[in-house]
Amino acid sequence: EIVMTQSPVTLSVSPGERATLSCRASQSVSSDLAWYQQKPGQPPRLLISGASTRATGIPARFSGSGSGTEFTLTISSLQSEDFAVYYCQQYNNWPGTFGPGTKVDIK
Amino acid sequence: QITLKESGPTLVKPTQTLTLTCTFSGFSLTTRGEGVGWIRQPPGKALEWVAVIYWDDDKRYSPSLKSRLTITKDTSKNQVVLTMTNMDPVDTATYYCAHRRAKAQIDYWGQGNLVTVSS
Repeated sequence: EIVMTQSPVTLSVSPGERATLSCRASQSVSSDLAWYQQKPGQPPRLLISGASTRATGIPARFSGSGSGTEFTLTISSLQSEDFAVYYCQQYNNWPGTFGPGTKVDIK
Repeated sequence: QITLKESGPTLVKPTQTLTLTCTFSGFSLTTRGEGVGWIRQPPGKALEWVAVIYWDDDKRYSPSLKSRLTITKDTSKNQVVLTMTNMDPVDTATYYCAHRRAKAQIDYWGQGNLVTVSS
């Protein structure tokens, strides 16, 4: 089973600042990597698939990069609605394992 | 527009069997590539794939839960049913139904069904 790790655990950012979240896979997952945003009491929402392709309706301030084992989600200018937990997930191999999440909170 | 909705109990006793139903719309599980699965999330914790079933009746189960799981589909009702036997308090979680196409990301999620396992 592929193990996904994320860093940092918590990221404190001021509105308008840039946030950079990292995700690492224990073995190569090619570009089969998705990012999800989850707010309290809600299901996750797909942000990015294929490591760098924004899902429909996702603002351009969200961008993804990486391939193989190292991936990054960047939020260029944090808005109030972006404070949430972010999960990465590989879907190269079954089961499509998730990372433990990064919580982005207000500094 | 794809939608999914979970239904089932909110409380089960230890050793009982959990049965959850996902009712979906906006796609058909008779269409090549389509799949519906279950992901769970214990309170305050991360997400975990439980099982998925595809249009061709291919089924995949979490290796750690495989002996306890059965996933089936009813294409006439647009439903997918998950059964999990021998429930334990550690299985307490929100169970999400989700849509994915084969070898792709999860793109649609239900609102979730919180299941508590307690006597």
